[in-house]
Amino acid sequence: GQSLEQPSEVTAVEGAIVQINCTYQTSGFYGLSWYQQHDGGAPTFLSYNALDGLEETGRFSSFLSRSDSYGYLLLQELQMKDSASYFCAASGSARQLTFGSGTQLTVLP
Amino acid sequence: DVKVTQSSRYLVKRTGEKVFLECVQDMDHENMFWYRQDPGLGLRLIYFSYDVKMKEKGDIPEGYSVSREKKERFSLILESASTNQTSMYLCASRDRIVSYEQYFGPGTRLTVT
Repeated sequence: GQSLEQPSEVTAVEGAIVQINCTYQTSGFYGLSWYQQHDGGAPTFLSYNALDGLEETGRFSSFLSRSDSYGYLLLQELQMKDSASYFCAASGSARQLTFGSGTQLTVLP
Repeated sequence: DVKVTQSSRYLVKRTGEKVFLECVQDMDHENMFWYRQDPGLGLRLIYFSYDVKMKEKGDIPEGYSVSREKKERFSLILESASTNQTSMYLCASRDRIVSYEQYFGPGTRLTVT
């Protein structure tokens, strides 16, 4: 099985940079994904890391360290629309996802 | 544009009723999933299906069953609804090849009274 830990809440101001951490314990790990979910909306895919290192997609970057069982999502130049819940999710041997409990990001003006 | 639709956005049922939640995807994806989402618990996998007529139990299958008779449709069945099944139910699909990205439907908020 797998379990993931991430902070429940993070608050930052517009224009700032915020990092959301995720640690995982797993038997059979293939990669770490990140999903964004706005209130009342469906989760949407942001990024996936199968290998160690940083993946950059616009203002969002995601990092993975397999040796530390750790990853993070980095959001730069925060905008009000980035206020949402962010979930890390680990892919297991059968490729199904186990999700963390989510981090509620609040961006203040 | 990829699309996953769910039959109802909101549903209210009584304890003991049989409940059907339907999910349809138009992307010709082989894999489909049912999750429930509860505050503070994230998304938990109930059942998934790799292909038509195939099903696998997820982390919390008790009290649920599923049906996949056609590739595009995956149904979640609550045989006898109970109040502890009040939750948001999310369906997702995934391409077999690009297997790291799941596409989610808008969710069904089920209340069992």
